Amino acid sequence: SQQGEEDPQALSIQEGENATMNCSYKTSINNLQWYRQNSGRGLVHLILIRSNEREKHSGRLRVTLDTSKKSSSLLITASRAADTASYFCATGQGAQKLVFGQGTRLTINP
Amino acid sequence: DVKVTQSSRYLVKRTGEKVFLECVQDMDHENMFWYRQDPGLGLRLIYFSYDVKMKEKGDIPEGYSVSREKKERFSLILESASTNQTSMYLCASSLGSNRDTQYFGPGTRLTVL
Repeated sequence: SQQGEEDPQALSIQEGENATMNCSYKTSINNLQWYRQNSGRGLVHLILIRSNEREKHSGRLRVTLDTSKKSSSLLITASRAADTASYFCATGQGAQKLVFGQGTRLTINP
Repeated sequence: DVKVTQSSRYLVKRTGEKVFLECVQDMDHENMFWYRQDPGLGLRLIYFSYDVKMKEKGDIPEGYSVSREKKERFSLILESASTNQTSMYLCASSLGSNRDTQYFGPGTRLTVL
């Protein structure tokens, strides 16, 4: 069953604004990863945060992880039109598997 | 630069046909995965393989089989395609455990008529 659940399902903002997406999960995890998918293409890895980390940055991306609430957030600052995509969280379970959520569809309006 | 390739971007088949989807990675990765992606359902794992000739069922293996004869190649087989297998199929690979990044191919959009 899908574990990561993203919220909101869809988000539309103006270029230059910040975008925040959330992910909740139900069981213990090894790590949590965020991926981006442009329309009709494969997924591209953005960032990985380990279960013992609370915050991580990569360029305009900021990810937080709260294991007590079993939730994570992805913040994209100063959004650009090229950020328009679907964003998925994925949680590491067992030895090899990742479980993906259903994604947040982000639209950046010029 | 890491690369995962899939044999076709678009594929149209008829009900009952046997369908092969091929995936090749050039990163010497141990793990390979097949997912299907449907609107509103996200990515669902069909099968994965953690070594040559080894395979594990994912969440929705029914109607599918896989083959991994060489480390770099992972094939998904639809023995008798049905219309409910119309979907986007994504292949991915990773170096070792799920602590590692998964690298995805561009996807194959399969339509079964």
